[in-house]
Amino acid sequence: EPEVTQTPSHQVTQMGQEVILRCVPISNHLYFYWYRQILGQKVEFLVSFYNNEISEKSEIFDDQFSVERPDGSNFTLKIRSTKLEDSAMYFCASSATGNFYEQYFGPGTRLTVT
Amino acid sequence: AQSVTQPDIHITVSEGASLELRCNYSYGATPYLFWYVQSPGQGLQLLLKYFSGDTLVQGIKGFEAEFKRSQSSFNLRKPSVHWSDAAEYFCAVGTVDNDMRFGAGTRLTVKP
Repeated sequence: EPEVTQTPSHQVTQMGQEVILRCVPISNHLYFYWYRQILGQKVEFLVSFYNNEISEKSEIFDDQFSVERPDGSNFTLKIRSTKLEDSAMYFCASSATGNFYEQYFGPGTRLTVT
Repeated sequence: AQSVTQPDIHITVSEGASLELRCNYSYGATPYLFWYVQSPGQGLQLLLKYFSGDTLVQGIKGFEAEFKRSQSSFNLRKPSVHWSDAAEYFCAVGTVDNDMRFGAGTRLTVKP
């Protein structure tokens, strides 16, 4: 069964450093998403991406965040200058259509900022 | 604004007992509703979803949920809980902006 994959599973970085979280969505999917979950809190929407551009973003997704689909398979989330409060689990998701039918989630990348 | 409330932060049930997890939503139109489960250290797995039609929806692992528009609820149920059901459960609503709003989650503990 096709699945969304994410690498790395755990990333430790120092405050102020740039990190790139990688996701490989399901191959025939067209819509891509990033969510984050701070430890013990709810899952929060960050951004959705379609047709090589951001279609929607939350207030969390400020200028330090960016997303990119550098090739036909990867979908990345970049945090330019990490802060302690960026420590969270980051989930990538993809869907075949944009009607939030069946958003398939990856296993997540745990980001720890020290 | 669209939102989801899960009133119970933590629920403990005995193995074999029935389970009901509560979810209330706030949304102006017909909502798209989901239940996800997250086992420790794992990602989110879709249990079931409601878009339209029959208000009682069946999902995986023996779960079901009932959409009640009059109560703005979408409660998750299972007639007999197994120890492997211990996890965090999230209710979510799909929005017109094509993102999902999650509830805070309910942690389920299963006693032997």
